[in-house]
Amino acid sequence: KAGVTQTPRYLIKTRGQQVTLSCSPISGHRSVSWYQQTPGQGLQFLFEYFSETQRNKGNFPGRFSGRQFSNSRSEMNVSTLELGDSALYLCASSLGAPGVPRGYNEQFFGPGTRLTVL
Amino acid sequence: AQSVTQLDSQVPVFEEAPVELRCNYSSSVSVYLFWYVQYPNQGLQLLLKYLSGSTLVKGINGFEAEFNKSQTSFHLRKPSVHISDTAEYFCAVRMISSGSARQLTFGSGTQLTVLP
Repeated sequence: KAGVTQTPRYLIKTRGQQVTLSCSPISGHRSVSWYQQTPGQGLQFLFEYFSETQRNKGNFPGRFSGRQFSNSRSEMNVSTLELGDSALYLCASSLGAPGVPRGYNEQFFGPGTRLTVL
Repeated sequence: AQSVTQLDSQVPVFEEAPVELRCNYSSSVSVYLFWYVQYPNQGLQLLLKYLSGSTLVKGINGFEAEFNKSQTSFHLRKPSVHISDTAEYFCAVRMISSGSARQLTFGSGTQLTVLP
């Protein structure tokens, strides 16, 4: 089974621009979560999507948004880029069975997209 | 709210020596516990997880961790490390709740460097 894929792997943008990152989950997985990793703040949760609906959101400004398509692929968008948005953005997919709210669905991580804002 | 503290940011150790990476957590509800490893320029790989049952959990690559509820700890251990274990290790928790949130809360990471 192919793993989680993220495109592009590397991206360089300038302040004020916007960027869209893509994540393709493992086949059959319906839940996608996004995380930001920076040296200063570590790994922080951005948001989670399941069945094209945002189910959970972290503490990030509205410049960060996402969406999920019917094939479970997800994109995240950052508008009006700031220098502090430079980070590794990680996507994770899981089966996401809403009928088992206290259950466990392992998250599988992609290799990430490294965004550099100049 | 939940939080995770990894007590050591850097751990240097000689090859074939034992290692322990420490992790403490706080949460008002029960949690699932995880250890992930991240090699340079790669994503996170799950090493092991504690969901329930035996408090000693064995994972991949010879790692194990012990859940201690009274001390709210989940330390990672390996009896003999290899050069290839050099990587950053992250402890993470997830709340067990009636909601559907699957987000992980991560510690700040411990860089393990294995010296020849």
